[in-house]
Amino acid sequence: GQQLNQSPQSMFIQEGEDVSMNCTSSSIFNTWLWYKQDPGEGPVLLIALYKAGELTSNGRLTAQFGITRKDSFLNISASIPSDVGIYFCAGDSGGGADGLTFGKGTHLIIQP
Amino acid sequence: DGGITQSPKYLFRKEGQNVTLSCEQNLNHDAMYWYRQDPGQGLRLIYYSQIVNDFQKGDIAEGYSVSREKKESFPLTVTSAQKNPTAFYLCASSLVPNRQPQHFGDGTRLSIL
Repeated sequence: GQQLNQSPQSMFIQEGEDVSMNCTSSSIFNTWLWYKQDPGEGPVLLIALYKAGELTSNGRLTAQFGITRKDSFLNISASIPSDVGIYFCAGDSGGGADGLTFGKGTHLIIQP
Repeated sequence: DGGITQSPKYLFRKEGQNVTLSCEQNLNHDAMYWYRQDPGQGLRLIYYSQIVNDFQKGDIAEGYSVSREKKESFPLTVTSAQKNPTAFYLCASSLVPNRQPQHFGDGTRLSIL
């Protein structure tokens, strides 16, 4: 099946720093999604991207759909303690109603 | 409030036992999905349903079964044939099949006694 490479696997940063993470794929995707998951909870949708080149913001979060349609990145500006969690990218190739392909997640840890 | 409700939050299974995880949504979504999450891993698709009375196997369907008798309900049964059932199970739904985004419930953690 399709695979997504998400990096970095984990990040240790200071409060107030900016964060950047990305996902790459060997396949083309029609949709990119970014989710955040807190421990013991389900993923919560942060940003959805539907067009190549699209740049979308949600508060301090900004995500882009790569021009090649094989990558996406998520930036978080001026991190705060509640940003701690696991961030997942997910892609939909549009080939069928069979769900999303997920990256393995980026674990964000913020040191005060 | 509209959303996806999974129950129970925690579930324990004895050897040789079947257990059923509940997923209910009041979003009027057509499509529903079940994923399995293991530590340090992304989500893997178990089963999905595009419409009532229809469902399809995902990437890791062996040892699992589902039903979709009502639009709002998509229960997952973990059978005794699933030899490694300990995981976090997530149910999701989307407005129509093959349309994003999917929205998730809060999960059920299944453990073996």
